[in-house]
Amino acid sequence: TQLLEQSPQFLSIQEGENLTVYCNSSSVFSSLQWYRQEPGEGPVLLVTVVTGGEVKKLKRLTFQFGDARKDSSLHITAAQPGDTGLYLCAGGLGTYKYIFGTGTRLKVLA
Amino acid sequence: EAQVTQNPRYLITVTGKKLTVTCSQNMNHEYMSWYRQDPGLGLRQIYYSMNVEVTDKGDVPEGYKVSRKEKRNFPLILESPSPNQTSLYFCASKIAGSRASEQYFGPGTRLTVT
Repeated sequence: TQLLEQSPQFLSIQEGENLTVYCNSSSVFSSLQWYRQEPGEGPVLLVTVVTGGEVKKLKRLTFQFGDARKDSSLHITAAQPGDTGLYLCAGGLGTYKYIFGTGTRLKVLA
Repeated sequence: EAQVTQNPRYLITVTGKKLTVTCSQNMNHEYMSWYRQDPGLGLRQIYYSMNVEVTDKGDVPEGYKVSRKEKRNFPLILESPSPNQTSLYFCASKIAGSRASEQYFGPGTRLTVT
């Protein structure tokens, strides 16, 4: 069974702090997606990275795909209460199969 | 509005009573997929479909059936539900053929099997 380990599971920080969430696997992925999920809703895509070493920025969020395409990180700068939510990474195995991490539940306190 | 819809949103049923969860998308996507989400386990892929009449198993297909007779619909069938299938289920769709295309998720169906 292929696994995608996501850490930390829970994170509670003060507004303005920085944080990093990690996803690690022994599998090589064709793509890596990051999602955010709100209670009672389905995940919503934040970004997709497909090239080893690729870095993408989305306002205060920075996503990086590892050189070997086995790991990824999400860095949030100056977190805000609106960033609170469940963050999920998902590794693509080819075009159609996906493995999801267990999620990081982030709470940003005002 | 582009969306993936699921019905029902909530379902409580008893062991062994066949049920179907419907999924429909209006984006003309070739690819559709079913996932289940459980605490501490994240989302796990049950089945996926690359196009009409083409389906394949994900990581946890046991106890589930799917069919893809029309492009827009991808129902999930539980022939004989058991309590270990109590979970939150999500349907998703995307453009096929690209590893970078975005998956759009439905709002989820919370299933309880007693």
